[in-house]
Amino acid sequence: ETGVTQSPTHLIKTRGQQVTLRCSSQSGHNTVSWYQQALGQGPQFIFQYYREEENGRGNFPPRFSGLQFPNYSSELNVNALELDDSALYLCASSLVPLQVRADTQYFGPGTRLTVL
Amino acid sequence: RKEVEQDPGPFNVPEGATVAFNCTYSNSASQSFFWYRQDCRKEPKLLMSVYSSGNEDGRFTAQLNRASQYISLLIRDSKLSDSATYLCVVTPFSGGYNKLIFGAGTRLAVHP
Repeated sequence: ETGVTQSPTHLIKTRGQQVTLRCSSQSGHNTVSWYQQALGQGPQFIFQYYREEENGRGNFPPRFSGLQFPNYSSELNVNALELDDSALYLCASSLVPLQVRADTQYFGPGTRLTVL
Repeated sequence: RKEVEQDPGPFNVPEGATVAFNCTYSNSASQSFFWYRQDCRKEPKLLMSVYSSGNEDGRFTAQLNRASQYISLLIRDSKLSDSATYLCVVTPFSGGYNKLIFGAGTRLAVHP
């Protein structure tokens, strides 16, 4: 167990709806990264939050947004859901923004989102 | 061209076999290299880091060739429990933050 938790475990939404996914980072970790993993693919970096600010972003549209709270937990929000948003969403926490040791990143179990 | 490319497999091998996975990456500025293991419908877990000098952890050996931008993973004496998807991962420095860039993964199925 990594100590990183995510909720909910599974979620079913319809096209056009909005969704919020949550992540609690491992104790003491101030950086949270979010990844999207489509079926048969490797995880793709969405963005990273460090001390409550977005610290980097992958190639995802603005309808993917996030927040990080003072306790370093984080939310991923997706607006105007599309069928292609169906995926496993993973969050990973780390002690530093991966500039020092990229192997100290711990993944949560993920939220499986299905968009109908 | 994908930033990290792997043979998708699946590799179907008997118990006790030796199996090798290969991976290539496109960004020569990539800084760190890893192999992750992902079981079906679970999160990825770090298997091992990869260094130019090569590193070994029990039955697993990883190798990095920076000149060829090539990473390998060798599994000796395969066990049924090794069945999983193996993800090749690199971290290119992106000016202020690092992100993990994953290959699509290679599936391994070890049978009795």
